[in-house]
Order: sequence, then C-alpha cells, then structure tokens
Amino acid sequence: DSGVTQTPKHLITATGQRVTLRCSPRSGDLSVYWYQQSLDQGLQFLIQYYNGEERAKGNILERFSAQQFPDLHSELNLSSLELGDSALYFCASSAGPGLGTRGYTFGSGTRLTVV
Amino acid sequence: GESVGLHLPTLSVQEGDNSIINCAYSNSASDYFIWYKQESGKGPQFIIDIRSNMDKRQGQRVTVLLNKTVKHLSLQIAATQPGDSAVYFCAEIGPLVFGKGTRLSVIA
Repeated sequence: DSGVTQTPKHLITATGQRVTLRCSPRSGDLSVYWYQQSLDQGLQFLIQYYNGEERAKGNILERFSAQQFPDLHSELNLSSLELGDSALYFCASSAGPGLGTRGYTFGSGTRLTVV
Repeated sequence: GESVGLHLPTLSVQEGDNSIINCAYSNSASDYFIWYKQESGKGPQFIIDIRSNMDKRQGQRVTVLLNKTVKHLSLQIAATQPGDSAVYFCAEIGPLVFGKGTRLSVIA
C-alpha cells in the first residue's frame, strides 16, 4: 500500500456522461498530481495541486477539471466523456510543491471505461 | 516541446541474465531523473533516481547510468528475476514527464 488512495478502482460509463475520480494523498503530502495512461501509452501529466491551489497544468482537456479540498483530497472531474477518454487515471502525491526526493508516490489508479 | 523517450518498446531476457533498458531525453537542462517500475494493474513505483552531477548510481540489483553528452539514461538490472517483469519508465523533473515505457518480459 503506497498510502495514496484512489476511488473507485473501476468505472464504466457511457459516452456523454460525467464522472468524478477521487484521490486521498499520502499522509503529510500537500501536492496532488493527476496522470492519464492510455493503453500502451506513457503517463501523461494532467494537473497538479499544492495545498489547495493549482500549481501546474499539463495536457488537460477543457472537459476535464480538478480541485483540491481543504482536507487535501482531490477530485478529477471528467465530463462529456468520449470513447477515447477510456484510460487509467493515476493520482500521485508529494510532500512539497516540487519534485522532492524519490519523485512522487502513486496510487493504484482508477480504470475508466467509456462505452 | 521537451520529451523523454525510450529506445525499445519491449525487451525479453532469460532469467538470471542482466537487463539493460535505455532512455533518451531531450531537455538538456534536466538535472534529475527517476526510473519507475509499473507492474500490471498497479501504479508506478520508484526504483532509483540520479541527479545530473552524477554519472552512475547503484541500488539493490539496479544501476542507473547517465550520459549527459548524448542525453541518455540506462537502467541495468542484474540477475533478472521473474518478478522484474513490468513496464519501466524513465522520467525527468517537471512535473514528471514520462517516456512511453519499455515492457520487460523475463523468460524462466
């Protein structure tokens, strides 16, 4: 157990729908990062939050949004879902706003299937 | 834009042999690199890191080599075991930018 908790583990939904993925960072970590991993693809950075504020933005679509709450958990909202959004979505956390040592700690991911 | 990429998508090795996984990066300003291992159904796990002021770092059965001249990283796994079968990613600082990964298959 990495200490980063993601729910749900699996999600199946229809095109056009909206889903919310949840992440609880490792205890003491203030940064949360969201990554998307499509089949046989690398991890694509979506967005980072640090202590409730957006810190960095990657290749995140306008249909996607995220936030980090006062208790530091984060949610990734995916709307108007398309078949191509089917992927593994990983959350990672780190103590500070930057990389720190040993990189990030990753959760086990949420597998999203859009049908 | 800057990118991190891997030379080979798949690598098959015999159990007990050494494995070498390569990675090229394009951002010459990068000064910190990490290798991650991702097993099926799991999130990436930290293996080893290296800073740009080093050219070699050793861990338990793993060694990372950094060649800044040609912007190349390699991960060497000694005495590869079935449990080493996974996808290996190199990543540079960032937020972390990951390469596509190399799938290592260990033949028993």
